[in-house]
Amino acid sequence: GAVVSQHPSRVICKSGTSVKIECRSLDFQATTMFWYRQFPKQSLMLMATSNEGSKATYEQGVEKDKFLINHASLTLSTLTVTSAHPEDSSFYICSARDHLAAGETQYFGPGTRLLVL
Amino acid sequence: SQQGEEDPQALSIQEGENATMNCSYKTSINNLQWYRQNSGRGLVHLILIRSNEREKHSGRLRVTLDTSKKSSSLLITASRAADTASYFCALNYGGATNKLIFGTGTLLAVQP
Repeated sequence: GAVVSQHPSRVICKSGTSVKIECRSLDFQATTMFWYRQFPKQSLMLMATSNEGSKATYEQGVEKDKFLINHASLTLSTLTVTSAHPEDSSFYICSARDHLAAGETQYFGPGTRLLVL
Repeated sequence: SQQGEEDPQALSIQEGENATMNCSYKTSINNLQWYRQNSGRGLVHLILIRSNEREKHSGRLRVTLDTSKKSSSLLITASRAADTASYFCALNYGGATNKLIFGTGTLLAVQP
């Protein structure tokens, strides 16, 4: 089955530093990937849609200069949390669509837990 | 808001009982999907139901969709302790990206 990986699985950083999270589709190509954020005991909130070779589309209220997304290849999208602050601590999850499939199914990564001290 | 509202927010049942959770939405959808998430873990895709379908089954899972009421339900029969998790509906409104908007979630606890 389609597999999506994320790296790192867990990261702790100091306030003010930047953190990069990778999302990879391991056995399929993904022209579109999605980034979600989930706070404790809450639902997943879509942050942005990452498009291979073009700019990401951000959801309302998400700062594009703070959450930089790069989708440079058909199997890799990165999310960089710039100048992270404690309120950015969250569970970040990516998903990917197989561009050869019907497109209705998204495959989710295992998530990255970010703790900003 | 495009987010689905789920109820109940939390549900506690005994093993062997059935669990039903509901998802309501406001705008017409392309399809609706149900996911399970164990505490602090990734998502597991359970079932997808399209807007022209009314019911789907997968093992102990039964999903219904009523587009006139803009609601869906997920029924888990003969529940097990291992079914303890959060369950989310996710709404697909179609379009170029087929992005998903997740519902508020139901926390299910199955007592052994």
